[in-house]
Amino acid sequence: EAQVTQNPRYLITVTGKKLTVTCSQNMNHEYMSWYRQDPGLGLRQIYYSMNVEVTDKGDVPEGYKVSRKEKRNFPLILESPSPNQTSLYFCASSLGLAGVSNNEQFFGPGTRLTVL
Amino acid sequence: AQSVTQPDIHITVSEGASLELRCNYSYGATPYLFWYVQSPGQGLQLLLKYFSGDTLVQGIKGFEAEFKRSQSSFNLRKPSVHWSDAAEYFCAGALTGGGNKLTFGTGTQLKVEL
Repeated sequence: EAQVTQNPRYLITVTGKKLTVTCSQNMNHEYMSWYRQDPGLGLRQIYYSMNVEVTDKGDVPEGYKVSRKEKRNFPLILESPSPNQTSLYFCASSLGLAGVSNNEQFFGPGTRLTVL
Repeated sequence: AQSVTQPDIHITVSEGASLELRCNYSYGATPYLFWYVQSPGQGLQLLLKYFSGDTLVQGIKGFEAEFKRSQSSFNLRKPSVHWSDAAEYFCAGALTGGGNKLTFGTGTQLKVEL
């Protein structure tokens, strides 16, 4: 089954304790993104990747890191989490760019992160 | 700046009634437009998308949307709502050359009364 998986689905942590949220897709997609969803703000892009070792900032990259060492995986790293990073996080993948005809972004199930 | 606006935060309709969810966009050029649905505790599922051509787009679950350039709108419609349609709906846009970013609206929460 074609899918995007994220782990963990739920995470409660404390300020300053490094964490990684994993994302994996099995569709051989080149493009992957991370979004955060906050009430009243919709989804905002954190980082995206166009291929292995190619990443770029989205709208809200501060406090986050990403890496793309393999095509299928795109982990999100919070080196020193803070309470304002409490949010619902989504990973997405697509065959091509979001703004190119017939490219659809497939979303993972989300990771709910709470930083105390 | 590129933006997508969903003016209605919450909408309540009776089961069997028709539905229209509003979406307005602000881009320098015509964007590609999408509607996603998010059921409680779930990820986002694509309902439909508009790239070019016919301005009335059919999607899954009986939804359709109409692109109106003159009004910068891409409203989502369904003739008869089912209780299972209760969810949050997001309109999103993307531009060629805009990286890999979908710009999302803030969402409309749909409640269906039985």
